[in-house]
Amino acid sequence: EAGVAQSPRYKIIEKRQSVAFWCNPISGHATLYWYQQILGQGPKLLIQFQNNGVVDDSQLPKDRFSAERLKGVDSTLKIQPAKLEDSAVYLCASSVGTSAEQYFGPGTRLTVT
Amino acid sequence: AQSVAQPEDQVNVAEGNPLTVKCTYSVSGNPYLFWYVQYPNRGLQFLLKYITGDNLVKGSYGFEAEFNKSQTSFHLKKPSALVSDSALYFCAVRMDSSYKLIFGSGTRLLVRP
Repeated sequence: EAGVAQSPRYKIIEKRQSVAFWCNPISGHATLYWYQQILGQGPKLLIQFQNNGVVDDSQLPKDRFSAERLKGVDSTLKIQPAKLEDSAVYLCASSVGTSAEQYFGPGTRLTVT
Repeated sequence: AQSVAQPEDQVNVAEGNPLTVKCTYSVSGNPYLFWYVQYPNRGLQFLLKYITGDNLVKGSYGFEAEFNKSQTSFHLKKPSALVSDSALYFCAVRMDSSYKLIFGSGTRLLVRP
């Protein structure tokens, strides 16, 4: 069974630039999550989708972050404009349902200079 | 509010010795508890979970965890550590009435030969 795929694996941008991350969940997983993991901390949930609808985006900085999952499969997370404090690993995860264990992708390491 | 504490930033153990990685939690309802492991440049991998039932939960790679309701703890254990167990370990919790996973700050396990 293929795991959660993410791209790119690494990205370096300057502050005020924009960036986008892509995630393809495990086939059949209806729930998709985006997490931000700052160095030395545990992952923090940014947004959760159930199929193509948003379940929770309460910790998403909506003035600069956006995410979509148009067809209920893969998803894109965008940051525009980026700030230095956005430097982190962005993890995508998926699960069969909201109560099931989550399976994580390898993450995208973002460095904002 | 839900929270998870991992009181040790790092745990050092010799190969072949038993290991324990500590986790305590705070929730207002019945907790669902999880352990994940993170290897360098890789996403989090699910190890085990406690939902209900037997307080001793067995998971992947020989790991187990004991749920202790009175002490609100969910410590991760392994009878005999391997050098390959060296990684970053995260405890996570969510309430039975919620889907949101709250992660601890992580504990780095170092197993020396």
